[in-house]
Amino acid sequence: SQQGEEDPQALSIQEGENATMNCSYKTSINNLQWYRQNSGRGLVHLILIRSNEREKHSGRLRVTLDTSKKSSSLLITASRAADTASYFCATDAWETSGSRLTFGEGTQLTVNP
Amino acid sequence: EPEVTQTPSHQVTQMGQEVILRCVPISNHLYFYWYRQILGQKVEFLVSFYNNEISEKSEIFDDQFSVERPDGSNFTLKIRSTKLEDSAMYFCASSVRYYGYTFGSGTRLTVV
Repeated sequence: SQQGEEDPQALSIQEGENATMNCSYKTSINNLQWYRQNSGRGLVHLILIRSNEREKHSGRLRVTLDTSKKSSSLLITASRAADTASYFCATDAWETSGSRLTFGEGTQLTVNP
Repeated sequence: EPEVTQTPSHQVTQMGQEVILRCVPISNHLYFYWYRQILGQKVEFLVSFYNNEISEKSEIFDDQFSVERPDGSNFTLKIRSTKLEDSAMYFCASSVRYYGYTFGSGTRLTVV
């Protein structure tokens, strides 16, 4: 298994429903980030949660982090058709003066109008 | 809101040719990165750059790749002799330590 695995791989819901995506990772992290990517487009940073935080909110987004289980979840409430995109978690482990983000495989979210 | 700018948005090149992908990071950021995403696959780290030198690179970043910050504002990725398998979306990113990254919108490289 690789660092930053999301599940489910694909999620299809109706507009107005909540969408929950999960991410598991293996190594110690400094923070975990969630990104969104519309098909063939760039990565948009959604939210960052530090290793000493357990929950964070931003608008309709809620992220939780459980470092004991090495897992995180992203909840999108009251979904809209415009939320249709791929969502990736990425882990950040600071070691030296630079660091790398390790991305998961992503969850493809489809919100049906 | 500050942006990371990448040019060109799409580049087509012949196999064996050299390509240079360009990025303008956010001006007060100190850390710079290149990532790539092969179509349908996950985003992979290539290289990080800090204080005018490479701070970390992945196994993908072999001798065919090089990075440069030639003038204090641009950050470039050069692929010396492109292969078909270099076809991918290449993302530049910059960051201030302990904060989230800002990614550019990417350059789609197609090697034919």
